[in-house]
Amino acid sequence: GDSVTQMEGPVTLSEEAFLTINCTYTATGYPSLFWYVQYPGEGLQLLLKATKADDKGSNKGFEATYRKETTSFHLEKGSVQVSDSAVYFCALSVLTNAGKSTFGDGTTLTVKP
Amino acid sequence: ETGVTQTPRHLVMGMTNKKSLKCEQHLGHNAMYWYKQSAKKPLELMFVYSLEERVENNSVPSRFSPECPNSSHLFLHLHTLQPEDSALYLCASSQGWTATGELFFGEGSRLTVL
Repeated sequence: GDSVTQMEGPVTLSEEAFLTINCTYTATGYPSLFWYVQYPGEGLQLLLKATKADDKGSNKGFEATYRKETTSFHLEKGSVQVSDSAVYFCALSVLTNAGKSTFGDGTTLTVKP
Repeated sequence: ETGVTQTPRHLVMGMTNKKSLKCEQHLGHNAMYWYKQSAKKPLELMFVYSLEERVENNSVPSRFSPECPNSSHLFLHLHTLQPEDSALYLCASSQGWTATGELFFGEGSRLTVL
């Protein structure tokens, strides 16, 4: 079946540090890939997405590139802020699986001033 | 402002109570979902409705009973719950079985079972 494996947390960084959260996947079809973010006390919201190989998703300074050859979708940001502290979820969706999403376990990021 | 609204945001109930969680989406989507988020556990898909028909029931105990009266509303009826059912219950919607599969979540209902 489909699965998503993401870097275990928690991750603690100083403000303006570089962020990488690794995500790899296995899928039986051709997935779309997503990063969702969950701020404290809120639900998940889409951060960025990529729907085919070599696509780069970007939003709010975050980027991730769909790498089919390494089945990866690593999340990066060049300079994190305190307000980026949240839980980050990598996910995939395969059309042939009736649109259901498969999520990673989530990575908690804390950014200190 | 979210396009998916969940009420109540917080709920405390005893094991013999009956309560319901409500979800409403204002996005014109035709698929709705219930997820359970427990501490230190992966996000768990409970139910999926497409065009008001249940298409997924992931071995969820019968003490959880979903209802989807129309494409904009989704309920989760709760009865005789157990303390281990305490969790954040998230509702989501999407535009059916599209290639992108993007989900739009509500802010969740935090349930505590005493």
